[in-house]
Amino acid sequence: GQNIDQPTEMTATEGAIVQINCTYQTSGFNGLFWYQQHAGEAPTFLSYNVLDGLEEKGRFSSFLSRSKGYSYLLLKELQMKDSASYLCAVREAAGANNLFFGTGTRLTVIP
Amino acid sequence: GAVVSQHPSWVICKSGTSVKIECRSLDFQATTMFWYRQFPKQSLMLMATSNEGSKATYEQGVEKDKFLINHASLTLSTLTVTSAHPEDSSFYICSASPHSNYEQYFGPGTRLTVT
Repeated sequence: GQNIDQPTEMTATEGAIVQINCTYQTSGFNGLFWYQQHAGEAPTFLSYNVLDGLEEKGRFSSFLSRSKGYSYLLLKELQMKDSASYLCAVREAAGANNLFFGTGTRLTVIP
Repeated sequence: GAVVSQHPSWVICKSGTSVKIECRSLDFQATTMFWYRQFPKQSLMLMATSNEGSKATYEQGVEKDKFLINHASLTLSTLTVTSAHPEDSSFYICSASPHSNYEQYFGPGTRLTVT
């Protein structure tokens, strides 16, 4: 089975930095994805980690620790348009592409 | 590149009728397509995985006779919700992947409302 946990909601101020955590317990592990989803829209890909460490992509960074079953998404220089849900998803097995999603974190950016 | 479309974007149907949702990969061949369901303020729940030319694999708790999936070509998968009921009202999202162990590309979703 899969258990993927994220905080339900977070609020942060425009221009600030916010860290969204994700912990997972899954039967196997072959990569962790972060997606952004605006209300009523499909998720869009943000980042992918399969090895331990930090992946940086512009204002977004994602970190993974496989031994701890833990990842975080770091958003810098927050903008109002970053208000969205952020979904953590785990792929369990190599060769199988099934993704299992966490509950999602609804981020609200305030002025 | 890597565009996935869904049709229709929204549909309203009466209880007891069937609804077909199409998912197409526009600029790549998708050996695997996935169907998700998302209820308001909840995350995506995987319903089934379909591979071109073979039967879909359904997740536990998803009725295969109610949610019919056909993946007849490398660019098209369809989900038919049969005998829809109000509790089937949801946001249905498909995704496609060019091959295993690769990123999934999501369609824009279909909002189904059953009255």
